[in-house]
Amino acid sequence: QKEVEQDPGPLSVPEGAIVSLNCTYSNSAFQYFMWYRQYSRKGPELLMYTYSSGNKEDGRFTAQVDKSSKYISLFIRDSQPSDSATYLCAMADNAGGTSYGKLTFGQGTILTVHP
Amino acid sequence: DSGVTQTPKHLITATGQRVTLRCSPRSGDLSVYWYQQSLDQGLQFLIQYYNGEERAKGNILERFSAQQFPDLHSELNLSSLELGDSALYFCASSASPTGSAQYFGPGTRLLVL
Repeated sequence: QKEVEQDPGPLSVPEGAIVSLNCTYSNSAFQYFMWYRQYSRKGPELLMYTYSSGNKEDGRFTAQVDKSSKYISLFIRDSQPSDSATYLCAMADNAGGTSYGKLTFGQGTILTVHP
Repeated sequence: DSGVTQTPKHLITATGQRVTLRCSPRSGDLSVYWYQQSLDQGLQFLIQYYNGEERAKGNILERFSAQQFPDLHSELNLSSLELGDSALYFCASSASPTGSAQYFGPGTRLLVL
């Protein structure tokens, strides 16, 4: 079983829809949670960064972390065609040692927002 | 633009050869990370350097090595290349060595023929 599981989709929604993207994880040591957006053949772009449990909002994006359920979500409101990309969740622990600053990524969800 | 630069953008080489990928972190970032992205494995952590010292290693092959120089740029050396090494290689940087958001460069696309 992978440490981080993410539904690869693909997910197709109409413009203006609310999109929900999710990841589950098994490593209870994860404390830092990130969402990246990756356009085709480009580098991942950091969208949201959260520490521990709770919600964080930035414009049309909301990230939620539920450590008790080992579940994180990214919501995109009023989705636009320009949001079409692959969305990757990523996590890190603070245990030091061999894992130190390593990010563990989900497989990514391919999202298409059609006009 | 994340502020992380990588060269070259594309690299085509033959099996058995050796290549060097270069990364310059964001201004002020001391930590550099290397990741490999392939269709079947996704984004995989290779190695981390912080202020010139190796801090963490992932599933990096023995044929691969990296270093971080005093000016904080980093190089990833891939030797005895195999077809399966064809992938996107990303460099990322962060301000602190743990728990800090990582910013990714545009990547180097390596094709081994």
